[in-house]
Amino acid sequence: LAKTTQPISMDSYEGQEVNITCSHNNIATNDYITWYQQFPSQGPRFIIQGYKTKVTNEVASLFIPADRKSSTLSLPRVSLSDTAVYYCLVGDRVYGQNFVFGPGTRLSVLP
Amino acid sequence: DAGVIQSPRHEVTEMGQEVTLRCKPISGHDYLFWYRQTMMRGLELLIYFNNNVPIDDSGMPEDRFSAKMPNASFSTLKIQPSEPRDSAVYFCASRAAGGKDEQYFGPGTRLTVT
Repeated sequence: LAKTTQPISMDSYEGQEVNITCSHNNIATNDYITWYQQFPSQGPRFIIQGYKTKVTNEVASLFIPADRKSSTLSLPRVSLSDTAVYYCLVGDRVYGQNFVFGPGTRLSVLP
Repeated sequence: DAGVIQSPRHEVTEMGQEVTLRCKPISGHDYLFWYRQTMMRGLELLIYFNNNVPIDDSGMPEDRFSAKMPNASFSTLKIQPSEPRDSAVYFCASRAAGGKDEQYFGPGTRLTVT
């Protein structure tokens, strides 16, 4: 399974755009990139998943360059309620191997 | 759907006692996962099932831990005997086969072993 590297923590202010980058140099051809969000005392929640280029949903955007060795989760106009831990996972979606959680990035949104 | 249901939500037990955690996955989901989360080790996958069959239990810490899935709507994680280092939050998650790999997590069971 591809190993991922993310910043341990980030700070932002309300209303700003936040970009969290994940490195996955050993990503395999069949691997997808998935991001989860976890609030205190809750289980992780799926945010977004992608394979290449750009994916956007109502919550976030995911940017994946052509070499796929990294990916960037973009949260537009964050609010205090976006304070959470964000996890980047890489794995083969077909065989259900997209479930190795690293330490994640602890995002703190300040007023 | 009510989502993934776990019980109990909190469990406090003494060292040496048997502990059984329960999980009801989302109806129709083919995969079920058991995770453990601690401050020191983060979120660790313990075991996962596909169509009620254990596929990978390499994350189970030791023989004191066992998991079963007797049917598609129920799974248990048992610790016997329990030890203080087993104190953690245990999450159950489920996902559907095919499509995007979106796991749905339960609220977790906070286990404290004294």
